[in-house]
Amino acid sequence: AQSVTQLDSHVSVSEGTPVLLRCNYSSSYSPSLFWYVQHPNKGLQLLLKYTSAATLVKGINGFEAEFKKSETSFHLTKPSAHMSDAAEYFCVVSEGSSNTGKLIFGQGTTLQVKP
Amino acid sequence: ETGVTQTPRHLVMGMTNKKSLKCEQHLGHNAMYWYKQSAKKPLELMFVYSLEERVENNSVPSRFSPECPNSSHLFLHLHTLQPEDSALYLCASSQAMTALSYEQYFGPGTRLTVT
Repeated sequence: AQSVTQLDSHVSVSEGTPVLLRCNYSSSYSPSLFWYVQHPNKGLQLLLKYTSAATLVKGINGFEAEFKKSETSFHLTKPSAHMSDAAEYFCVVSEGSSNTGKLIFGQGTTLQVKP
Repeated sequence: ETGVTQTPRHLVMGMTNKKSLKCEQHLGHNAMYWYKQSAKKPLELMFVYSLEERVENNSVPSRFSPECPNSSHLFLHLHTLQPEDSALYLCASSQAMTALSYEQYFGPGTRLTVT
């Protein structure tokens, strides 16, 4: 069965410094992996996705993530944090065996960006 | 309208009321989902419809009743709710069956408060 673990519940960075949000996954299949972002009182927005093509995936707003099969990790990074990046981030794995594409969500990481 | 829309955005109801949440997707997808997001908890998948047929019901109490009249619309009918049902209810849609990566697109949510 698939599962996903976000290693930090809260990350705080200063504006202009790098961001690293960590995610490990467990999957019996070749997984599809996603990062979603949720700003306060908003729905979830897809940041990027990995679907067995390039292991380094570029997303919106300068974010990227690298799929590392040997480490079962899919960490999210950004070179320079912006105040608008403050939000909740979810690492997600797709249950690829299901024809409905059921998603398994991590617990979420709250990113705080300090001026 | 583009993407996934949800109405109302906010709803306050008493425990004896009956109300409905509405979701509409303008993406040409054929699968739709209801999620519940409570504070300090991961997203809980409630219902999945694929090609207008309910394919998953994750042991949701019968006071929640979904309806999917066509591939673009999804409703969640509510009656005799409990205070612990207060949460953000998120609707999502995706391509099912033929999709490679199953990414889901979310609406902004309905913030429900049960008094």
